[in-house]
Amino acid sequence: AQSVTQLGSHVSVSEGALVLLRCNYSSSVPPYLFWYVQYPNQGLQLLLKYTTGATLVKGINGFEAEFKKSETSFHLTKPSAHMSDAAEYFCAVRIVGGSGNTGKLIFGQGTTLQVKP
Amino acid sequence: DSGVTQTPKHLITATGQRVTLRCSPRSGDLSVYWYQQSLDQGLQFLIHYYNGEERAKGNILERFSAQQFPDLHSELNLSSLELGDSALYFCASSVVKAGGFSGTGELFFGEGSRLTVL
Repeated sequence: AQSVTQLGSHVSVSEGALVLLRCNYSSSVPPYLFWYVQYPNQGLQLLLKYTTGATLVKGINGFEAEFKKSETSFHLTKPSAHMSDAAEYFCAVRIVGGSGNTGKLIFGQGTTLQVKP
Repeated sequence: DSGVTQTPKHLITATGQRVTLRCSPRSGDLSVYWYQQSLDQGLQFLIHYYNGEERAKGNILERFSAQQFPDLHSELNLSSLELGDSALYFCASSVVKAGGFSGTGELFFGEGSRLTVL
């Protein structure tokens, strides 16, 4: 069964520092992978997605993620953190193909990013 | 603005009561998904409807039910409410088609309905 593990429920960085949020997935078939961001009192907003093709994907707000099949990882990075990046981030996997292909996403537990001035 | 509308945004009720949460998907999206977000369980998939038919069930309690109407809006009914049902309930829509998919399958989320059971 597909699953997602986000390492670290809380990550704290200084403004201007590198942001690295870790995500590992488990899937018996090549998955589609997503990162969503949730600001306080808001819904989830898509940051970026990997489906096929280039393994380094760029998203909104300067974020990018790299799909590494050998490591079953899809870590999210941003070179320089901004105060406005403080939010909760969710990694998600989608079942592709087969009877389980209903389009639902399975989410990790989330990582809260704190950005210190 | 994702284009997905959820009402009400906040709801406070008592144990044992019943509530209905409503969701209007993005224009043209046939699939509607319901998720529950709580501090201890995270984001849990509840149920998926496609063009009026139930397609998949997740961790949905028997006290909960959902339906999707001909105009594609969906309702999540929560009955015999318990304190532990307090959570944020999200609706999401997608162009995904049952038995296959179109596009890359991302879900578009509403802003959620926050349910507090006292």
